[in-house]
Amino acid sequence: AQKITQTQPGMFVQEKEAVTLDCTYDTSDPSYGLFWYKQPSSGEMIFLIYQGSYDQQNATEGRYSLNFQKARKSANLVISASQLGDSAMYFCAMREYSSASKIIFGSGTRLSIRP
Amino acid sequence: DVKVTQSSRYLVKRTGEKVFLECVQDMDHENMFWYRQDPGLGLRLIYFSYDVKMKEKGDIPEGYSVSREKKERFSLILESASTNQTSMYLCASSPRSGSSYNEQFFGPGTRLTVL
Repeated sequence: AQKITQTQPGMFVQEKEAVTLDCTYDTSDPSYGLFWYKQPSSGEMIFLIYQGSYDQQNATEGRYSLNFQKARKSANLVISASQLGDSAMYFCAMREYSSASKIIFGSGTRLSIRP
Repeated sequence: DVKVTQSSRYLVKRTGEKVFLECVQDMDHENMFWYRQDPGLGLRLIYFSYDVKMKEKGDIPEGYSVSREKKERFSLILESASTNQTSMYLCASSPRSGSSYNEQFFGPGTRLTVL
């Protein structure tokens, strides 16, 4: 069964608007971590933000925030005031504590920012 | 800064050739990973290693092998390349961690084409 689901293959957003990228996950491990990575056209994977399953507050990193809804098993990435440089592939990923450091990735969302 | 390097950005090989993809990290990380990335499928784990000479199969190990003789180096081997192994290959490393937080640091990727 797929453990990380990103249902939006592609999105177009106007510059300066906020954007939400969806991610749902499935695990029976009570301890896990959720990650978001950005992959620009250059190909490198850039770590954006992390949320632990026991964290009480939603993670934030600058313009990035993670809308963590544990009961719904949802970990959406919110980018505020989008910029042209935000155009990239975005991957949601999860590590289960029991999984010996393995991270499982979703299929990704391609975000395009319109000027 | 963590540095993960891969031996080639682009590689073209012929069907049946033996292919070596090299990955080196300079942060003394215990864990190293090989993924392949295909459109619509995200990143899929091929093999990972949590210590020198240790390896574990990921989700799609068929047709691949790995070697980790030194801590900093993790090699992916295609014993007899086939056209369905044309893909982007990403190497990553991470420190061993007792928590679910275990960010992976990625190399720039190798785009392999098998003709």
